[in-house]
Amino acid sequence: SQQGEEDPQALSIQEGENATMNCSYKTSINNLQWYRQNSGRGLVHLILIRSNEREKHSGRLRVTLDTSKKSSSLLITASRAADTASYFCATDAFYSNYQLIWGAGTKLIIKP
Amino acid sequence: DGGITQSPKYLFRKEGQNVTLSCEQNLNHDAMYWYRQDPGQGLRLIYYSQIVNDFQKGDIAEGYSVSREKKESFPLTVTSAQKNPTAFYLCASSVPKASGNTIYFGEGSWLTVV
Repeated sequence: SQQGEEDPQALSIQEGENATMNCSYKTSINNLQWYRQNSGRGLVHLILIRSNEREKHSGRLRVTLDTSKKSSSLLITASRAADTASYFCATDAFYSNYQLIWGAGTKLIIKP
Repeated sequence: DGGITQSPKYLFRKEGQNVTLSCEQNLNHDAMYWYRQDPGQGLRLIYYSQIVNDFQKGDIAEGYSVSREKKESFPLTVTSAQKNPTAFYLCASSVPKASGNTIYFGEGSWLTVV
């Protein structure tokens, strides 16, 4: 079952610009994670934010979480062509026995 | 290096055939998963296993079967009962814990029905 919905479905920006992707979910969560998938490859974990955290940074990544709005955003600053990929959010809900529920992803294209 | 190995990378299946996708991990993870991904879509859970000799159906288990005889291995069989098996299949593993269930993925296997 899919709980997360990413917005936008696709995003195309120039290299050097910032990219922002959003994720909304439906139920209360323990934490929310973001993953990256290069075309035809497996997913790679980027960052995890817990339900009691509001913001987290990792290198050029900044994640925010608003549990009152059941939403999260992923900001990639100073984008590079190598950031071209699909980005997925995944939530770990209280009832789910640690099973992750995945969004449909945002396809990000960085134009050189 | 530790990781998850899926094989084959590309597999073609004729109508009516069963095929098995291999997944091996050397991360010493208890939990393993199989996901299906259709083009441009998200991940859908087929089966998961939290311990050896035990597994549970995910959201789309019909037409698939799995086994977990060893901790490091979780093969997926796509049976002839799966009517639309052409997709990208991802195996994954993790150590589920309350602080977060971070999933590690293999590189995926492409299955095409010919």
